[in-house]
Amino acid sequence: GEDVEQSLFLSVREGDSSVINCTYTDSSSTYLYWYKQEPGAGLQLLTYIFSNMDMKQDQRLTVLLNKKDKHLSLRIADTQTGDSAIYFCAETDTGGFKTIFGAGTRLFVKA
Amino acid sequence: DAGVIQSPRHEVTEMGQEVTLRCKPISGHNSLFWYRQTMMRGLELLIYFNNNVPIDDSGMPEDRFSAKMPNASFSTLKIQPSEPRDSAVYFCASSSGGSQYFGPGTRLLVL
Repeated sequence: GEDVEQSLFLSVREGDSSVINCTYTDSSSTYLYWYKQEPGAGLQLLTYIFSNMDMKQDQRLTVLLNKKDKHLSLRIADTQTGDSAIYFCAETDTGGFKTIFGAGTRLFVKA
Repeated sequence: DAGVIQSPRHEVTEMGQEVTLRCKPISGHNSLFWYRQTMMRGLELLIYFNNNVPIDDSGMPEDRFSAKMPNASFSTLKIQPSEPRDSAVYFCASSSGGSQYFGPGTRLLVL
């Protein structure tokens, strides 16, 4: 079945770039997402990319998609302490109903 | 829009009691999802509705769990009887296809 995998932890220094990686198995995925979860809150949609795109940039966020390797990454430039959170990678199938989430990567930003 | 609304935000109950969690999706969204999040199992999809009809309830752990969506603006998730292993954060999310928008969650503790 479909699966989304992410590393569990990432630690960076404030001001550095963070790169969070994700791999997925469903080649028919239409949309791929990054969500952010801060402590005590629900998941917040950060950005998404269509499966026919290679890259999407949104201010400090850059999403790269390698369809051949089924690899998705999220780069956060100039990482701030406020970026400390859990980041979830997710994919949605062609029907657009069911979204498969990864286990989440906990980002620690050291001041 | 106020976003997805969930109530209560916190619930503490004793084993064997009935628990009802409530969700109001974003107006105009036709899909609604119930998730459970724990440290051990991460984010699990329990059930989702499309146009008020349950589409996939394969994630519902057992018969003690039931969910309803009587109309487009309201859904409930009921646990009867509750058990300590049901302790988790329960999220409701809604979408109009693609991106899901999460509520703040209900933190449930079953003693």
